[in-house]
Amino acid sequence: EPEVTQTPSHQVTQMGQEVILRCVPISNHLYFYWYRQILGQKVEFLVSFYNNEISEKSEIFDDQFSVERPDGSNFTLKIRSTKLEDSAMYFCASSIQVNEKLFFGSGTQLSVL
Amino acid sequence: SQQGEEDPQALSIQEGENATMNCSYKTSINNLQWYRQNSGRGLVHLILIRSNEREKHSGRLRVTLDTSKKSSSLLITASRAADTASYFCATEAYGGSQGNLIFGKGTKLSVKP
Repeated sequence: EPEVTQTPSHQVTQMGQEVILRCVPISNHLYFYWYRQILGQKVEFLVSFYNNEISEKSEIFDDQFSVERPDGSNFTLKIRSTKLEDSAMYFCASSIQVNEKLFFGSGTQLSVL
Repeated sequence: SQQGEEDPQALSIQEGENATMNCSYKTSINNLQWYRQNSGRGLVHLILIRSNEREKHSGRLRVTLDTSKKSSSLLITASRAADTASYFCATEAYGGSQGNLIFGKGTKLSVKP
């Protein structure tokens, strides 16, 4: 079965550094998403992306965050200046259509020191 | 309770028994989805039920939706040790929200061999 792949699986960074989390969505999917899960808390929506632009974003997704689809296969989440509270598991997901099930990647565990 | 709240928070059963998890939500929805998460791993989609559906089956899974009570249940029949995981309901609010799923805190299911 096709999968969403995310790299790296773990990322450790110093506060204030920029990080880029990478995702390869399923090839025929059109909608892409980032979610995050802080340890012990709910999975939270960050952003959705369609047709090379952001469709919707949450309050969490402030100016420090950006997404990009630099080529036909990758989908990236950039955090410009990481804070301690950005430490979380970040999940990429994709779907073939809206109102359909999401396929999630295995996540990138981001630790900001 | 908040949107997409599951109960119980934790459930421990013996292999072969049935497991029932409940989810309540507050707003009108397009659909409700159930996901499973093994410890430290990504979310796996189990089943999606639309607001005009009342019951759906997939293998050993049975999901019901009662929009008048704003609640859903997930039944896993003849449970196996491999079903041990956290189970989340996620709602997609009515009227847009492209992929903005609101997750509950989950039910942690433990199936003992």
